[in-house]
Amino acid sequence: DAKTTQPTSMDCAEGRAANLPCNHSTISGNEYVYWYRQIHSQGPQYIIHGLKNNETNEMASLIITEDRKSSTLILPHATLRDTAVYYCIVRVVGGTGFQKLVFGTGTRLLVSP
Amino acid sequence: EAQVTQNPRYLITVTGKKLTVTCSQNMNHEYMSWYRQDPGLGLRQIYYSMNVEVTDKGDVPEGYKVSRKEKRNFPLILESPSPNQTSLYFCASSLQAMGPQHFGDGTRLSIL
Repeated sequence: DAKTTQPTSMDCAEGRAANLPCNHSTISGNEYVYWYRQIHSQGPQYIIHGLKNNETNEMASLIITEDRKSSTLILPHATLRDTAVYYCIVRVVGGTGFQKLVFGTGTRLLVSP
Repeated sequence: EAQVTQNPRYLITVTGKKLTVTCSQNMNHEYMSWYRQDPGLGLRQIYYSMNVEVTDKGDVPEGYKVSRKEKRNFPLILESPSPNQTSLYFCASSLQAMGPQHFGDGTRLSIL
């Protein structure tokens, strides 16, 4: 399984862009990068995922390097409600193809006024 | 509103007393899964299901059972709970094998 490495914590000022990095140097060619976040002890929330091209949705943008060994999640205008733990996950396939999510320790993002 | 609903949200019980945590989704998803979350260990998969009557073990299935008799429901059963099953449990569902997973709000179990 491809392992991911993220900083333990990051700070961001409200209204500024939050750029959360993730290293996944052993990623395989057909593995996707997923981002989820967890606010306090609520259920994890899906943010975005991608394979090799950059992706954008209403929540965030995902930038994947050309060699796919790292990626960055960008929250363009962070708000206080974006304070959460952010998990970068490389798709792990269970024995029959089901996407098993393996969450590491993630990055604790604190957005301050 | 599309959602995954877990019940109960909180439960304190004693060792050996059978309990069931229910999970229901209203999105007609085929894939469902149970996870437990413990400090320092992240989220670990207990069991998953790819469709009605199709289930398989995740990484930490010992002490748990599941069933999938209907598409919308995926209960987690602890036949004889023990203190090491004290944890925060999440149910999730997804439309496709590789699709985003939608999580419930969690069930906090304390086994004394």
